[in-house]
Amino acid sequence: GQQLNQSPQSMFIQEGEDVSMNCTSSSIFNTWLWYKQDPGEGPVLLIALYKAGELTSNGRLTAQFGITRKDSFLNISASIPSDVGIYFCAGRTYNDYKLSFGAGTTVTVRA
Amino acid sequence: DAGVIQSPRHEVTEMGQEVTLRCKPISGHDYLFWYRQTMMRGLELLIYFNNNVPIDDSGMPEDRFSAKMPNASFSTLKIQPSEPRDSAVYFCASTRGYTSGANVLTFGAGSRLTVL
Repeated sequence: GQQLNQSPQSMFIQEGEDVSMNCTSSSIFNTWLWYKQDPGEGPVLLIALYKAGELTSNGRLTAQFGITRKDSFLNISASIPSDVGIYFCAGRTYNDYKLSFGAGTTVTVRA
Repeated sequence: DAGVIQSPRHEVTEMGQEVTLRCKPISGHDYLFWYRQTMMRGLELLIYFNNNVPIDDSGMPEDRFSAKMPNASFSTLKIQPSEPRDSAVYFCASTRGYTSGANVLTFGAGSRLTVL
């Protein structure tokens, strides 16, 4: 699969704060996905992006597909305790059915 | 829909034993993927199937690993013989064909394997 660099690796945030994480690729992607994984569970899709420049929201979550097609970011606004978990970016290039995943961002929320 | 169903959820075995992990994809999904998750390497794609046919097994670590999909509703990942370094969480995921707006994987809850 393709190499994805996801940052930050982890973050401790205060409840109510906004969170931002990003992902960069060495290749041009035609799909970016953001997943969240809770302890003991599989990753669950949060947002899917299919066009360069696309900005998509899902509740307090907002994600963007970078113009260069090599990056994406995820924002969480007004974090709450249930936002705790590991967030993964994932992407695929054109004509490649395989998804590559970033290493994940571990989010811990302090009440 | 019950989602992607994996079994067992947890397995503890001794080195050298055969391990079989099972997966039932979402009905109507024609792509099935097996991933392995470890702290060191993150989520790694092992193999994927399309219409029950293995398409890419380049991620399978070695000959001790094998995967089959005898029909559209069942797949197995087998490790024989197992080794301690195989300890990981193994995920199965499925999706409908890769048309525009698709290629979103739905994951199972995973099978946590510990090889002593």
